[in-house]
Amino acid sequence: AQKITQTQPGMFVQEKEAVTLDCTYDTSDPSYGLFWYKQPSSGEMIFLIYQGSYDQQNATEGRYSLNFQKARKSANLVISASQLGDSAMYFCAMREANQAGTALIFGKGTTLSVSS
Amino acid sequence: DAGVTQSPTHLIKTRGQQVTLRCSPISGHKSVSWYQQVLGQGPQFIFQYYEKEERGRGNFPDRFSARQFPNYSSELNVNALLLGDSALYLCASSLSIGTGRNEQFFGPGTRLTVL
Repeated sequence: AQKITQTQPGMFVQEKEAVTLDCTYDTSDPSYGLFWYKQPSSGEMIFLIYQGSYDQQNATEGRYSLNFQKARKSANLVISASQLGDSAMYFCAMREANQAGTALIFGKGTTLSVSS
Repeated sequence: DAGVTQSPTHLIKTRGQQVTLRCSPISGHKSVSWYQQVLGQGPQFIFQYYEKEERGRGNFPDRFSARQFPNYSSELNVNALLLGDSALYLCASSLSIGTGRNEQFFGPGTRLTVL
């Protein structure tokens, strides 16, 4: 069973608009962490934002915020005021505390295209 | 400060050959993880090393092996290459292992093509 599900293969948004990228996860571990990474066409994965399962507040990092709904097991990424440079692949990932080490489990990603 | 570096950038091999990929973590980071990213998919975890010991292994065959050196750099070896091994191989470093934010910083990857 997929542990991270990203149901939107592609999303399109105009500059300066906000966009929400969906992510749902599946775990029985009460302690886990959720991450979002951006991957431009160059290939490098860029860390965007982190949400811990016990965090009371939704995480925010500049224009990025995470809409964390624990009961629904969803961790959607919200990008406010989109810019052309936001065009990239976006991955949601999870780390479970009961895993050896700190391996990340990634979803299949969502391609975001920002137009002017 | 330099980020995670990987070498080579690109590599072309033929089926049955062996390949070694290299990774240098961010200075001060003691953990290195390897991921395989097939085109159109998210990265899949292969190995994690911390303080030169293997701390995690993903669902990959024994043809895949890795090690970490005293300076925390790492090598990933793949033997008896198959066409399906063609992928972007990503290395990530983190300060340590364990729970909490402890984010992984990724290198630019090595693109391996198996013909």
